[in-house]
Amino acid sequence: GAVVSQHPSWVICKSGTSVKIECRSLDFQATTMFWYRQFPKQSLMLMATSNEGSKATYEQGVEKDKFLINHASLTLSTLTVTSAHPEDSSFYICSANTQGASNQPQHFGDGTRLSIL
Amino acid sequence: QKEVEQNSGPLSVPEGAIASLNCTYSDRGSQSFFWYRQYSGKSPELIMSIYSNGDKEDGRFTAQLNKASQYVSLLIRDSQPSDSATYLCAVRPNQGGKLIFGQGTELSVKP
Repeated sequence: GAVVSQHPSWVICKSGTSVKIECRSLDFQATTMFWYRQFPKQSLMLMATSNEGSKATYEQGVEKDKFLINHASLTLSTLTVTSAHPEDSSFYICSANTQGASNQPQHFGDGTRLSIL
Repeated sequence: QKEVEQNSGPLSVPEGAIASLNCTYSDRGSQSFFWYRQYSGKSPELIMSIYSNGDKEDGRFTAQLNKASQYVSLLIRDSQPSDSATYLCAVRPNQGGKLIFGQGTELSVKP
């Protein structure tokens, strides 16, 4: 149980392109999803907390107009990297909490490796 | 002081030995503690969760929690080369809140 699916797993695109990443909870409802970014040899950096039906909460230093988050249903959150540039190249990972289980672990998707040329 | 601290390693142990990974946290009110394993190029996967003081065992893995000392550890018995990965300690300060991750400890198990 508690499977999180993330798509696509790999994106290579030109500078200036906007890229959308989907995160789905397959067998549970997730009122809260989290978006992380990880650069090589570094730990996970939380970018934002995505709440179903409301605006995302962004961490300090993360541009909300650059990284658009939508959480329109209990099973889907999307992250759109707008006008991506080479410095946005990174490993983006989503995770989700099981609804109603506030002390349970987060379950991670497989991640999306974004390469901007 | 970082909220969750781990030695970055690398920690190198021979195959069959016990690997001991340590983590300290700063928020005394923290309630939930997790260990994740991350292979290179992959996303983290949950190894153990622990909520109460003491030991919790699952197969070759044992998590230990000491809230008075604000310390949580992970022991891996009979270490295998396939255990070579980065181990992330994560702490949830409040119920339902975000996880705070340590920087991870790189473990290398030598055949």
